[in-house]
Amino acid sequence: KQEVTQIPAALSVPEGENLVLNCSFTDSAIYNLQWFRQDPGKGLTSLLLIQSSQREQTSGRLNASLDKSSGRSTLYIAASQPGDSATYLCAGMNSGYSTLTFGKGTMLLVSP
Amino acid sequence: KAGVTQTPRYLIKTRGQQVTLSCSPISGHRSVSWYQQTPGQGLQFLFEYFSETQRNKGNFPGRFSGRQFSNSRSEMNVSTLELGDSALYLCASSLGSRGNNEKLFFGSGTQLSVL
Repeated sequence: KQEVTQIPAALSVPEGENLVLNCSFTDSAIYNLQWFRQDPGKGLTSLLLIQSSQREQTSGRLNASLDKSSGRSTLYIAASQPGDSATYLCAGMNSGYSTLTFGKGTMLLVSP
Repeated sequence: KAGVTQTPRYLIKTRGQQVTLSCSPISGHRSVSWYQQTPGQGLQFLFEYFSETQRNKGNFPGRFSGRQFSNSRSEMNVSTLELGDSALYLCASSLGSRGNNEKLFFGSGTQLSVL
């Protein structure tokens, strides 16, 4: 059974800092790993999807990496802004399913 | 292209009642899955429907059920509501290809409060 853990649970940084969010998973038979953003009381916005055959994906100031052998993924946010404040969730999709196993998220606060 | 639509946005019920939530997926998507989000447990998978058939099910009691219609719209039903059912219920739609590029798109959710 896949288990996903995110560290840290909360992070507070000043505007402009580069930061890294960590995600670990127990089952390496992972089809893909997805990173989402959630604003309070809202749904999930997809940020990046990394396929099992890929090592990283980039979108703007965001870069996500995947290391299946170690069971880890990281989300790197460059030059953080107050608008980046949200909860970031990582989720793994295992082979043969269209469903995700989620971590509990990292709550990020970027102060002006 | 319209996104995933969930209705209603907010719902208040009392213990013992039942509730039905609705989800309209992105046009062309055939898979709809449901998740429950609570502060303590985070996001947990309820079930997935593909072409009107339940294809996968999470570890929830039988009070939680769902169905999918021929137009891919899905409904989720919770009977005999308990206080612990208070949560944000999220619906996700996808192509249902089960490939490694399978991407899920989420709706804004239905916030259910059980009093």
